Amino acid sequence: NAGVTQTPKFRVLKTGQSMTLLCAQDMNHEYMYWYRQDPGMGLRLIHYSVGEGTTAKGEVPDGYNVSRLKKQNFLLGLESAAPSQTSVYFCASSSGTGQVVPQHFGDGTRLSIL
Amino acid sequence: GQNIDQPTEMTATEGAIVQINCTYQTSGFNGLFWYQQHAGEAPTFLSYNVLDGLEEKGRFSSFLSRSKGYSYLLLKELQMKDSASYLCAVTDSNYQLIWGAGTKLIIKP
Repeated sequence: NAGVTQTPKFRVLKTGQSMTLLCAQDMNHEYMYWYRQDPGMGLRLIHYSVGEGTTAKGEVPDGYNVSRLKKQNFLLGLESAAPSQTSVYFCASSSGTGQVVPQHFGDGTRLSIL
Repeated sequence: GQNIDQPTEMTATEGAIVQINCTYQTSGFNGLFWYQQHAGEAPTFLSYNVLDGLEEKGRFSSFLSRSKGYSYLLLKELQMKDSASYLCAVTDSNYQLIWGAGTKLIIKP
């Protein structure tokens, strides 16, 4: 009963380092999303994908890249980490677009950039 | 611009009823979601409204008025486990979810 799985759960990076966050879903969902959640703010969409091999920019894409080589996986990369990217990152998936269809979330990755 | 407003924090008593309001201004409207998020955990889906009126699901109900850009989540017979943040999100004309900052609900015995 895995649903959406994110790895790692916690990570501390130094400014300028790079890393990749992995998201895997076992529900055969077409749509996948990466959000960041900061105190006092709503979830903000970084990038999303409407199917294998496709990606699109969300509200706050700068400093991040993504890839969807396999339907079940959605990777989020930080090319050169900055303290402003300290946040909780959530991956989500859905079987369709926002109307009617809820998004299912992973447990999040807590990332600190020093 | 697009905007969703919710109270930052609310306090209620175990066994009571609480109403969490959400007002929105978005480019288009294709539905409104309520999610629950316990501290340190993932958001989980609670309810969905696309037409005006009340949707009831056990102890939780959600109301929508599209003409007023307004929704509320009603929680009855509050339990300690209902202590969580409640997130309002609206699907805009591009079918993107726009999220409110969430309302932290504190339940006291």
